[in-house]
Amino acid sequence: KAGVTQTPRYLIKTRGQQVTLSCSPISGHRSVSWYQQTPGQGLQFLFEYFSETQRNKGNFPGRFSGRQFSNSRSEMNVSTLELGDSALYLCASSQNPINYGYTFGSGTRLTVV
Amino acid sequence: AQTVTQSQPEMSVQEAETVTLSCTYDTSESDYYLFWYKQPPSRQMILVIRQEAYKQQNATENRFSVNFQKAAKSFSLKISDSQLGDAAMYFCAYVQGGSEKLVFGKGTKLTVNP
Repeated sequence: KAGVTQTPRYLIKTRGQQVTLSCSPISGHRSVSWYQQTPGQGLQFLFEYFSETQRNKGNFPGRFSGRQFSNSRSEMNVSTLELGDSALYLCASSQNPINYGYTFGSGTRLTVV
Repeated sequence: AQTVTQSQPEMSVQEAETVTLSCTYDTSESDYYLFWYKQPPSRQMILVIRQEAYKQQNATENRFSVNFQKAAKSFSLKISDSQLGDAAMYFCAYVQGGSEKLVFGKGTKLTVNP
C-alpha cells in the first residue's frame, strides 16, 4: 500500500514568488492535514481538509491556502513568499485521525532566498 | 489552548539499554488522544504509539510503552532494549476529541550509542 506522497521533495524560491505543494494521501484516506515545521516554532498546524472541505485552519496569514480535490489529493499554496516561510511542510492523511493517528509524508523542504 | 511540553531537548542511551522520554500536556478537556511520533533523518513522521485518554491501561507496542498519568497530565515514552535504529527526533502530540488538529511538543533528540 503506497504511503503519503509529497512533491516536490525540495524547492527553492525567491522572496515575493508563490509556490504550490502537492500531497497524495493513502488510498481511501479522506482527511488531509498540513503542518509547517521550523527549528524555532516546531510543528504547527496549517489546515485540514475532508471531502474537499476545509474543516480546520491554524493561525497562519491568508497567504497560506489550500484545497482538496475529489480524489482526496491536496495542494497548499503560499503566495508572496517571505524568508520566514522557509520550512519543512508536512502532509498527513487519515481515515480516522483520532483512532489511528495520521500517516505523514516525507515533506517538502522549501527554501526562500 | 492546549499545550504539549517536552522538557528534554536531547537524550542519549546505550544500545540495549532502556530510556524514558518525558511529555506533559495541558488541557481542560476530558476527551483526547495522545501520540508519540518518531522522525528519523528521512523526515517522515512515524507513529510509534497512541493512547486514548479514557483508557487507564498504558499502551504498549513491542519495545515501546507509555506511562500515562492522567491526573498529572503526563505521558512518557519508554523504549526498552534500545537499538541503533531508534535514533531520531521523538515528538509527543495531543489531539482533542472531535478535532483533527494535532498539537506537538518541541521534540526530544534521541541518540543511541553503540
